[in-house]
Parts: sequence; C-alpha cells; structure tokens
Amino acid sequence: DVKVTQSSRYLVKRTGEKVFLECVQDMDHENMFWYRQDPGLGLRLIYFSYDVKMKEKGDIPEGYSVSREKKERFSLILESASTNQTSMYLCASSLGRDPAGEQYFGPGTRLTVT
Amino acid sequence: DQQVKQNSPSLSVQEGRISILNCDYTNSMFDYFLWYKKYPAEGPTFLISISSIKDKNEDGRFTVFLNKSAKHLSLHIVPSQPGDSAVYFCAVHNAGKSTFGDGTTLTVKP
Repeated sequence: DVKVTQSSRYLVKRTGEKVFLECVQDMDHENMFWYRQDPGLGLRLIYFSYDVKMKEKGDIPEGYSVSREKKERFSLILESASTNQTSMYLCASSLGRDPAGEQYFGPGTRLTVT
Repeated sequence: DQQVKQNSPSLSVQEGRISILNCDYTNSMFDYFLWYKKYPAEGPTFLISISSIKDKNEDGRFTVFLNKSAKHLSLHIVPSQPGDSAVYFCAVHNAGKSTFGDGTTLTVKP
C-alpha cells in the first residue's frame, strides 16, 4: 500500500520567512509532484521530478524551488514566503512506467503566511 | 488557457440515483484521462481511468465515458451513496504529468 507523507498538516509562517515542505513516499516511485490547491482553482502543478536531482517547472513555479536528493524525498521551498502563498500544498508520487500516471497523494499541508 | 474544465462547481443528487460528473478538455494529445475523489482534510485518491483508445471503462458503481470527438469526459456513479459525497477532479495525462480540472463537489442526500 503506497504511502505518501508530508512533514506537517498545518503550518503558520511570517512573511519573508524561508519555508520547507517535506514529502516522503515509500513505494520507490520515480515521479514526484508538488501542487497547490485553492478554492475554485483546482490543483495547480508547481514543480515535478522524474528522478533524483531532476526537476521540471510546472504551471506556477514562481516563488518556489524544489530539491530531490533522494528518490523517496521531494522538498518544496518557499525562499521568502508571501501572503499569496497561503494555500493547501499537496505532494504526490507515481510509478514511472505507469502510462496512466496514477498519482498517490499525501494528506496535504495547510500553510498560512501572515 | 485552461486545458481541463469542469463547468459544474457542485452537484446534488438523491441516494440511489445516478450522479453524472462532466469534464471538457481542449487538447487531443492526452493519453489517459483520470478521475480522483477528495474528502475534506485528505489528499485526492485515484478513482478510475480510461485510455484515449477506449470510450468506456467500468469499475463497480463507477463508469467513465470518453467522447473524443467532443473532447468530453464523464463519470457516472450508480447507485449514488452518501459516502460518495466529496470533491471530484478530472485529470488529463500526457508525457508523465497530469493537469487537473477545478473540481465538482458532489453531495448525495440520504
């Protein structure tokens, strides 16, 4: 059974702080993704990674960076948090050879930037 | 330019009746189409998918229909149950990544 865990369920940070969101998956998946979910906007892809040390920009990468030093771990970094980054952040993983790209999601981190 | 649209933000149906959720897409290059379900305070979970070479896929109470000429995807839930109340996202998949719609909140009334 695939498990994707995220380091925090709720996080409150101040404007300008550096924020790290950690994601770990235990099924040896090649692909990992970071999304944010906002009301009425669905899930928007921030960054994704197909392999260790590889990263690709998604649809809304501005203000974010990522790190993938190990296959099981994918970190999202907010270099200088701003109030418009208040959102639900969801991490997901998928098997590289799955053509349908079924993704397994973590429970999400509700980030509030004040 | 939004590639995937779910035009109904919400849908309410009576328990036992059919729920039909709809999704439209703009690009013909997608390989797979998926539906996910999301409960509050949880991440989305995969529900059902369909390949672009098929027009129907069934899994228990859930059936997904694909109309490629209309670029339209639908999810049928029969019979609907109160536990089906959730947000449903459609997603289109190509080249290793998926693009999600905005979601439709389904409420199934007992």
